[in-house]
Amino acid sequence: DAGVIQSPRHEVTEMGQEVTLRCKPISGHDYLFWYRQTMMRGLELLIYFNNNVPIDDSGMPEDRFSAKMPNASFSTLKIQPSEPRDSAVYFCASTKDAGELFFGEGSRLTVL
Amino acid sequence: AQTVTQSQPEMSVQEAETVTLSCTYDTSESNYYLFWYKQPPSRQMILVIRQEAYKQQNATENRFSVNFQKAAKSFSLKISDSQLGDTAMYFCAFRDDKIIFGKGTRLHILP
Repeated sequence: DAGVIQSPRHEVTEMGQEVTLRCKPISGHDYLFWYRQTMMRGLELLIYFNNNVPIDDSGMPEDRFSAKMPNASFSTLKIQPSEPRDSAVYFCASTKDAGELFFGEGSRLTVL
Repeated sequence: AQTVTQSQPEMSVQEAETVTLSCTYDTSESNYYLFWYKQPPSRQMILVIRQEAYKQQNATENRFSVNFQKAAKSFSLKISDSQLGDTAMYFCAFRDDKIIFGKGTRLHILP
C-alpha cells in the first residue's frame, strides 16, 4: 500500500512567489490534515478536511494561505505571495474514522 | 479549545535505562484518542502507541507503555530498556475530531 504522498520534498523560492504543495492521501481515508512544523511553534494544525469538505481552517495563518481538496485523492496547500516567515516543513496526513494519522514525508519550504 | 502540553523540552538518558515523557491535555470531551508519535532525524512521523479514552487499561507496545490518568488528563509515555534508536523527538497528540500536538520532547539516548 502506498502511503501519503507529498510533493515537492523540497522547495526553495523567493519572497513574493506563489508556492503550491500537493498531497495524495491513502486510498479510503476520509480525513486529511495539513500541518506546519517549525522549531518555534512545533506542529501546528492549519486545516483539515472530512470527505473533501474543509471542517476547520482556523489554523490557517492569514489570507495568503489557501487549501483545497477537489476530490478524495488530492489536496493542495497554496501560499500566495510567500514570505520568509513561511519557511517550514509542511506535512500532510490522512486517517480513516477515528484512527491514527498517517503522515507524508513532508515538504520543506525555504522562502528567501 | 483543546490543548496539549509537554513540559519537558529535552531529556537525556543512558542506554538501557527507563525514561518517562510527560503529557497533559485539556478537554471537556469524554470520548477521544491519545497518541504518541516519534520523529527521528529523518523527519518521518511514526506512531508509537495509541490509547482510547474509554479504555481503562493502559496501552502497551513492546518496550513502550503509557500511564493514562483520565481524571488528571495525563498521558505519559514510558520507554523501557532504552536503545540508541529511540533518539528522536516525541510528540503527544489528542484527537476528538481534529488532532492537535504538543510541542514535543527531544530525547537523547546516550551510549
